[in-house]
Amino acid sequence: AQSVTQLGSHVSVSEGALVLLRCNYSSSVPPYLFWYVQYPNQGLQLLLKYTTGATLVKGINGFEAEFKKSETSFHLTKPSAHMSDAAEYFCAVSPRGFQKLVFGTGTRLLVSP
Amino acid sequence: DADVTQTPRNRITKTGKRIMLECSQTKGHDRMYWYRQDPGLGLRLIYYSFDVKDINKGEISDGYSVSRQAQAKFSLSLESAIPNQTALYFCATNSGQGDTQYFGPGTRLTVL
Repeated sequence: AQSVTQLGSHVSVSEGALVLLRCNYSSSVPPYLFWYVQYPNQGLQLLLKYTTGATLVKGINGFEAEFKKSETSFHLTKPSAHMSDAAEYFCAVSPRGFQKLVFGTGTRLLVSP
Repeated sequence: DADVTQTPRNRITKTGKRIMLECSQTKGHDRMYWYRQDPGLGLRLIYYSFDVKDINKGEISDGYSVSRQAQAKFSLSLESAIPNQTALYFCATNSGQGDTQYFGPGTRLTVL
């Protein structure tokens, strides 16, 4: 069965520091890949997604992610954290040929001044 | 106006009660989904529907049922609520595989 692993349930960074949130998936065929963000008391919002084409994907709010097939990874990065980035981030995959979205367990990003 | 709405936003109920959570969408999508979110577990799929006549179980459907009343409406029912169904419930919709799922704001359900 398809699975998604997010390393680290909590990640703490200082404002202005690099943000790196890790996501690995298990699949012999590269799936569709997504990153969603959840701000407190809100639903999930799409940050970015990879379906095909260029492996470096740019999203909203300065985030980007790179699909690496050899590493089965889709890590999320942002060069400089802002206080407003504090939220929970979910990596999700949708296996090609299947219809469902499988979520990782989430990583809570904490940003300190 | 929000594309995906959920009612109620918060609900406290007692063990054994029947409860219905409702979801409506204005995006014109055929596909709708119900998830529950628990701390440390991420989102897990309860039920999904690809059109009005198509209903499918997700990974945690026991104790839940759904109704797709129209393309735009998808309701989740707990026939006899139990405390371990206390969670945050999300409805989502999209138009096809690989397409972004759009989420509602969630319903926080507490079962006492």
